[in-house]
Amino acid sequence: GDQVEQSPSALSLHEGTGSALRCNFTTTMRAVQWFRKNSRGSLINLFYLASGTKENGRLKSAFDSKERYSTLHIRDAQLEDSGTYFCAAETGGYKVVFGSGTRLLVSP
Amino acid sequence: ETAVFQTPNYHVTQVGNEVSFNCKQTLGHDTMYWYKQDSKKLLKIMFSYNNKQLIVNETVPRRFSPQSSDKAHLNLRIKSVEPEDSAVYLCASSSGTGVSAETLYFGSGTRLTVL
Repeated sequence: GDQVEQSPSALSLHEGTGSALRCNFTTTMRAVQWFRKNSRGSLINLFYLASGTKENGRLKSAFDSKERYSTLHIRDAQLEDSGTYFCAAETGGYKVVFGSGTRLLVSP
Repeated sequence: ETAVFQTPNYHVTQVGNEVSFNCKQTLGHDTMYWYKQDSKKLLKIMFSYNNKQLIVNETVPRRFSPQSSDKAHLNLRIKSVEPEDSAVYLCASSSGTGVSAETLYFGSGTRLTVL
């Protein structure tokens, strides 16, 4: 069955606002990664977390393996943040399972 | 900066033909992967290799066969394509410490269309 449940599937934000994406896991995961699909369709790494939180500019991610979830917070959203975001979780043994993605649209 | 190279970018073929996709990484990673992204944009893992050894094989039809000549290359062959094989195939690599996969780096994908 599906091991990674990502929400929301779509999100609209006005410039300057923020929100959070979330992935829930049906089992304990070793680590989580967050990706953004760029304009050329390539998956770009945003974060890799085995635990705790990481921050990079206007993005912040958290991973709690015990509670089985990860979040990606976006603050002060900009137009160029629009795109599709994916979480991916390691179940172990080099198996990395993806969420279904969140389509983010940032408007003026 | 691209470090996982996939060829071709696009391929159109007919049902029953054989196709082969190439993937090369220049990151010195030990682990490589193939993912399939379907029409709903869902990414499903197909295979992962660590140091040329098959580690993960996710109930993929037998017409799919990965081929690894060395740890920098992982090709994907489809012996007799079917319409449901139309998708984007994404190759990735990671440093894979043996405890965890570590960060995945993706190529730009190969879009397969089966007529």
